[in-house]
Amino acid sequence: DSGVTQTPKHLITATGQRVTLRCSPRSGDLSVYWYQQSLDQGLQFLIQYYNGEERAKGNILERFSAQQFPDLHSELNLSSLELGDSALYFCASSVAGGLYEQYFGPGTRLTVT
Amino acid sequence: EDQVTQSPEALRLQEGESSSLNCSYTVSGLRGLFWYRQDPGKGPEFLFTLYSAGEEKEKERLKATLTKKESFLHITAPKPEDSATYLCAVQDIGNEKLTFGTGTRLTIIP
Repeated sequence: DSGVTQTPKHLITATGQRVTLRCSPRSGDLSVYWYQQSLDQGLQFLIQYYNGEERAKGNILERFSAQQFPDLHSELNLSSLELGDSALYFCASSVAGGLYEQYFGPGTRLTVT
Repeated sequence: EDQVTQSPEALRLQEGESSSLNCSYTVSGLRGLFWYRQDPGKGPEFLFTLYSAGEEKEKERLKATLTKKESFLHITAPKPEDSATYLCAVQDIGNEKLTFGTGTRLTIIP
């Protein structure tokens, strides 16, 4: 158990809908990262927050957004969902940014029908 | 752009048969190279961080090594519970994201 929690575990929704994925980092960790894992693309970095502020962005679609709250939990919002958004979404946390290992949560499996 | 290539894609070994997994990388400046283990449907589990060429780290039957262009994950006398996908990732000096390879799916046959 990494100490990172994610909810929900599974999510099934229809095209065009909006969903919110939630992540609680390990106790004491200030940085939260979001990754998408699909069968054909592997793990892809989406976005990083550090102590409430956006720190780095990867290939995150404009339909996707995230935020980190004062209690350091983070939410990833996915809107206007398409079939191709079906994937595993992982949250990771680290003590700070930079050269600290990232610990991953169990993931949320999103299925768009 | 950072690139990570892992080989082989899949590897089947008999229990006790030692082998190595390869991770080749291209970065403008390496801040760190990370190895993770991932079981099906689960999140990646952190194994090692390597910072500079020549560094080695060990954990049970696993040993990770690093050169300026690649890293190896050596597995000695593996057991069936070592079956998993092993992921390699790099972090560039210029940013904090991890760039992952597509992994090696390791199967240990009893």
